[in-house]
Amino acid sequence: TQLLEQSPQFLSIQEGENLTVYCNSSSVFSSLQWYRQEPGEGPVLLVTVVTGGEVKKLKRLTFQFGDARKDSSLHITAAQPGDTGLYLCAGARSNTGKLIFGQGTTLQVKP
Amino acid sequence: EAGVTQSPTHLIKTRGQQATLRCSPISGHTSVYWYQQALGLGLQFLLWYDEGEERNRGNFPPRFSGRQFPNYSSELNVNALELEDSALYLCASSLGGRSGNEQFFGPGTRLTVL
Repeated sequence: TQLLEQSPQFLSIQEGENLTVYCNSSSVFSSLQWYRQEPGEGPVLLVTVVTGGEVKKLKRLTFQFGDARKDSSLHITAAQPGDTGLYLCAGARSNTGKLIFGQGTTLQVKP
Repeated sequence: EAGVTQSPTHLIKTRGQQATLRCSPISGHTSVYWYQQALGLGLQFLLWYDEGEERNRGNFPPRFSGRQFPNYSSELNVNALELEDSALYLCASSLGGRSGNEQFFGPGTRLTVL
């Protein structure tokens, strides 16, 4: 059972376009983390959101945690080729230690 | 500050053999997590160690086991290797004591079972 549905799975856009990646669940998470992973490497943590309704910005990336802490979104403004990669959302459950990962969104930004 | 390190980078084994993967956490981190990233299956939680104790285990058979040493480094052992064990094995670390702390990943060990 996939507890975190991430969409879209694949996205190919032109440089300068905007995009949004969604991460949805019917379960509540204590926190949600977004990672970016390059081929053959480990995921790199981008941001952690903890409070329902929280919005965090990282340069051109905007992350939002849903009010009920069940969903999240990642919005990229004016995408650049350097943004190309696999984006993963991961929900944390209290006292379990484990992160539950979405399937990932493969983003390709063409120059 | 050094990040999470893993060794070896690549490991090739045959069916039925045993594999040992190693992980060193970020300095000051006491929790270590293991994940499996198999093609088409995404990242799946394997094990969580904190202060030398196994705290939680994912839905994997008992032939997946590990331990955490007094210096907080960790080992993942996979016995009786099967072809479907071929995957990228990722180790992560965090400040310990409670779940929910941010997890920082290492570069992974690519295990290939022939």
